[in-house]
Amino acid sequence: DAKTTQPTSMDCAEGRAANLPCNHSTISGNEYVYWYRQIHSQGPQYIIHGLKNNETNEMASLIITEDRKSSTLILPHATLRDTAVYYCIVAQGNAGKSTFGDGTTLTVKP
Amino acid sequence: DAGITQSPRHKVTETGTPVTLRCHQTENHRYMYWYRQDPGHGLRLIHYSYGVKDTDKGEVSDGYSVSRSKTEDFLLTLESATSSQTSVYFCAILLRLESEAFFGQGTRLTVV
Repeated sequence: DAKTTQPTSMDCAEGRAANLPCNHSTISGNEYVYWYRQIHSQGPQYIIHGLKNNETNEMASLIITEDRKSSTLILPHATLRDTAVYYCIVAQGNAGKSTFGDGTTLTVKP
Repeated sequence: DAGITQSPRHKVTETGTPVTLRCHQTENHRYMYWYRQDPGHGLRLIHYSYGVKDTDKGEVSDGYSVSRSKTEDFLLTLESATSSQTSVYFCAILLRLESEAFFGQGTRLTVV
């Protein structure tokens, strides 16, 4: 599976959009991009995933570049409860067999 | 939570003793996984299973063994616990290939 690169940390003001980038320049054509987050020491929570097209659900939007070498997770109106570590992973049809990097620590500030 | 239960949630054990962690699911999903997470780092895959008696190694499998004799249970065993195995252990299931993974709440293991 391809590796990903994420910034170590980001801040966001409460109520503003949080845009979390992820680089996956070695992604192959059949690998999906998945986003999870982990609040404190709880188990990771699934957010969204996609293959080629942009995706949106009740939690977030996922924007994947046309060449698929990078993506952005967008939390449209960040709240304090969105403070967490966000993980971007790529996986070929088996998201459980994944490598989780160190992720991005997002801090939402009042 | 996709019906995942990990037990125990916390355990302290002595170096050299065997320890078994249990992951139980209620929905007969085929794919199950064990991860460990050390402070300040992401999750690393220990072992995984594609079904009853069908298991394989992940990237950090040394010192660990697993068993899956029933669909609903995936057991992780530390044959002789070491201090380096102090960690938080997460179990995960996959509903199907290409779907997302669901994680349990974790087991915090301390080896003294």
